[in-house]
Amino acid sequence: DAGVTQSPTHLIKTRGQQVTLRCSPKSGHDTVSWYQQALGQGPQFIFQYYEEEERQRGNFPDRFSGHQFPNYSSELNVNALLLGDSALYLCASSLLDTTEAFFGQGTRLTVV
Amino acid sequence: DAKTTQPTSMDCAEGRAANLPCNHSTISGNEYVYWYRQIHSQGPQYIIHGLKNNETNEMASLIITEDRKSSTLILPHATLRDTAVYYCIVRVAGDSWGKLQFGAGTQVVVTP
Repeated sequence: DAGVTQSPTHLIKTRGQQVTLRCSPKSGHDTVSWYQQALGQGPQFIFQYYEEEERQRGNFPDRFSGHQFPNYSSELNVNALLLGDSALYLCASSLLDTTEAFFGQGTRLTVV
Repeated sequence: DAKTTQPTSMDCAEGRAANLPCNHSTISGNEYVYWYRQIHSQGPQYIIHGLKNNETNEMASLIITEDRKSSTLILPHATLRDTAVYYCIVRVAGDSWGKLQFGAGTQVVVTP
């Protein structure tokens, strides 16, 4: 049973560009959450998707947007990249609110 | 702001028990205590959770004080693979599993 998978594993982008990160949830899970983890800090909640809609959102600007597809997979989009967006982006999946969250290995984004 | 306080770091000898403290003095009656850990370059991994009774699973034990203002995660026989950042999190029952509020955690280093 595959766990949460994220792609790509590493990415380098230039300031001002746009980026799309992808996440496939654990089999049987229907809810996907995204986190940003800066170096040396704990993960910070960005938003959560359920039934193809944004269900909750953390304190992140509108440059951060997402999407969930009918197969429950999800994308995180970040526009107008800033140097401060460099971080590990984590995806977590769960069966709505009934199971613990399982995390993927993350995508390391470097903005130069 | 995170609702928990943990030591920044601690060392433990391989084969010995590791006792990780967490302070959550403002915890509410309907809030659970959760523990996750993050091994370097991986996503966080669920360990255990509890409300007021002590809990044990194949990974660890969780001891919660009677007033619920603090708890201790116990790794009974630490191995080198237990070297990780350990996060103590409080979560309201019924809140989304996906929206977890991580603090800075405790860096645990297990030495031979």
